[in-house]
Amino acid sequence: AQKVTQAQTEISVVEKEDVTLDCVYETRDTTYYLFWYKQPPSGELVFLIRRNSFDEQNEISGRYSWNFQKSTSSFNFTITASQVVDSAVYFCALKSGNTPLVFGKGTRLSVIA
Amino acid sequence: NAGVTQTPKFRILKIGQSMTLQCTQDMNHNYMYWYRQDPGMGLKLIYYSVGAGITDKGEVPNGYNVSRSTTEDFPLRLELAAPSQTSVYFCASTPGGGLGQPQHFGDGTRLSIL
Repeated sequence: AQKVTQAQTEISVVEKEDVTLDCVYETRDTTYYLFWYKQPPSGELVFLIRRNSFDEQNEISGRYSWNFQKSTSSFNFTITASQVVDSAVYFCALKSGNTPLVFGKGTRLSVIA
Repeated sequence: NAGVTQTPKFRILKIGQSMTLQCTQDMNHNYMYWYRQDPGMGLKLIYYSVGAGITDKGEVPNGYNVSRSTTEDFPLRLELAAPSQTSVYFCASTPGGGLGQPQHFGDGTRLSIL
């Protein structure tokens, strides 16, 4: 069965600190995609990134970076020099086989000025 | 550039009432989805559709019905509202069923059943 675990329910950091959000997934499929979504206080869901199971290159986009490690079934998300605008709930999600997209429970990040 | 539009944004219902949550997309996407998000939880799939005239159940379909008469519209119906259906509902769409296609979400409908 497909499963996504985000063990960190809530994280609080001071502005300019770096923060890593953990995501661990389970699937028996060899082909799959992982996603990160951001849900700011306004409530909408914003797509951030996707990674397929054959591409283990890390990705950096501005202050955001993602570390995909198949050996540990993890797809962690790091925000460097966090800002108040990064405060949101972040969801990791998995799509594999014919099953629908499976979401983790989310991590609520609070960045304090 | 509308994308996925949900109406209403907020609604309060009494137990036993019925209502329809509207969802429309202007991207000509074939696949559409309805999720519910409960506090502290991720999104759970209620129903989805792979094209006009085709719908299928997701993880939590009980108490809901859907229809897909056009590519653009995918309404979600609650027939007998119950307090357990208090949640935030999101509609989403993708061009097709490919694994790597990110879902485009609407802004959500916050529904309270009292």
